[in-house]
Amino acid sequence: DTEVTQTPKHLVMGMTNKKSLKCEQHMGHRAMYWYKQKAKKPPELMFVYSYEKLSINESVPSRFSPECPNSSLLNLHLHALQPEDSALYLCASSQLPGSLDTQYFGPGTRLTVL
Amino acid sequence: QKEVEQNSGPLSVPEGAIASLNCTYSDRVSQSFFWYRQYSGKSPELIMSIYSNGDKEDGRFTAQLNKASQYVSLLIRDSQPSDSATYLCAVYTNAGKSTFGDGTTLTVKP
Repeated sequence: DTEVTQTPKHLVMGMTNKKSLKCEQHMGHRAMYWYKQKAKKPPELMFVYSYEKLSINESVPSRFSPECPNSSLLNLHLHALQPEDSALYLCASSQLPGSLDTQYFGPGTRLTVL
Repeated sequence: QKEVEQNSGPLSVPEGAIASLNCTYSDRVSQSFFWYRQYSGKSPELIMSIYSNGDKEDGRFTAQLNKASQYVSLLIRDSQPSDSATYLCAVYTNAGKSTFGDGTTLTVKP
C-alpha cells in the first residue's frame, strides 16, 4: 500500500482565516514533504521533514507553518494568506530522506484564497 | 538556465506510436531521476525511477540516463490515448531536495 491521504480535498478561505491542511501516511515512511503547485506549473518544494524534524525550508513565507506531530502525520497551518497562495498543495512521503527514495504523492488539497 | 529542462510541448503522437520525452539537468551531483505522470487536476503518479547510466525498462516505458551528458529520457512504446497527460521529470540531489521540470504535455490521438 503506497497511499498518502490528504484532507480536505478542497478549501476556500478568506485572507483573515486560519486553517490547516492535513496529510497522513501509514507506510512507515520517515520523510514527508509539502509542495505547492500552481496551474500548468510543476510542483515546488516547500518543506521537508526528516524523522519528524524540519530539514528543509525553501524560504517559504511565515504565513505557512508546518508541523509534524508524529511520524505518520504532517500538517500545514495557514494564516493570513494572499490570493496568490491559491494553488494545489501536495503532500508526499518517502521511506527515508535522501535522494534515492521514491516520493509518493497524496491527492492534494485545492486551496482558494478569497 | 533552468535546473531541469524538458522538451517544450505539447507533443502529439498517433495511437500505437512511440512517444519520446526528454529532460536535461544542470546539477552534476544529481543522484536520482524520476518520471511522473500527472493527469489534469490530479497529483503526480510515479512512472519510472532511474539511478545509473543506461536503460531501464518497465512494460511499455523505457527510461534512459546519461550522466555525462546530464540527460534523461522517457520512451513510451505503443502509445495509448490513456497515456495523454503531462509528464514531469524530477531530479533529486540530496536530503530529499527535488526539482521538477516544467513538464511536457503529451496527447495520443486515436
